[in-house]
Amino acid sequence: DAGVIQSPRHEVTEMGQEVTLRCKPISGHDYLFWYRQTMMRGLELLIYFNNNVPIDDSGMPEDRFSAKMPNASFSTLKIQPSEPRDSAVYFCASSKNVGSPINGYTFGSGTRLTVV
Amino acid sequence: AQSVTQPDIHITVSEGASLELRCNYSYGATPYLFWYVQSPGQGLQLLLKYFSGDTLVQGIKGFEAEFKRSQSSFNLRKPSVHWSDAAEYFCAVGARGGGNKLTFGTGTQLKVEL
Repeated sequence: DAGVIQSPRHEVTEMGQEVTLRCKPISGHDYLFWYRQTMMRGLELLIYFNNNVPIDDSGMPEDRFSAKMPNASFSTLKIQPSEPRDSAVYFCASSKNVGSPINGYTFGSGTRLTVV
Repeated sequence: AQSVTQPDIHITVSEGASLELRCNYSYGATPYLFWYVQSPGQGLQLLLKYFSGDTLVQGIKGFEAEFKRSQSSFNLRKPSVHWSDAAEYFCAVGARGGGNKLTFGTGTQLKVEL
């Protein structure tokens, strides 16, 4: 089991550019979560999917952020246009629905985004 | 809705000393409780979890946590800290019937002095 795979590990981009972060969940996991971590705000849930369907996107900061899950093995988080305040570490996590959150989440290693 | 509080933002202990990190939760029934550890530059790794049964649970890396319903707490402990334990620790709570959604605390940064 390769775990949750995120790419890229690091991304440096200029303000105004489009940024796409990628996540491959663990095979068989049907929940996928996107988090953002900053020193000021800690760990924030942005959006999560169940069976590829977005369930709660209330944490997405604004319309510049969008997330998709076209199939069970791939999700993207896109920021367009990017701004310096979007600089953060973005984590993807997945879990398997067993009727409860008993198994917790498996997190990826994160993407460190720097917008200059 | 459930919530979780980690009162200590930073804690410093000497290597070999005992450790206790505090976690308080708010939830009307018996919750699912978790502790995660995040080493620098890494993702979060599950240390241990509680959902029912014995209120003292053992985890990886020599950590344990005790669920105390009367105090709404799930504190993390380790009898002797190693320098490699320096990391950030997150407590999380999940609700029964709440799907797979977890609510995370703000984290406690642990520094270990040699």
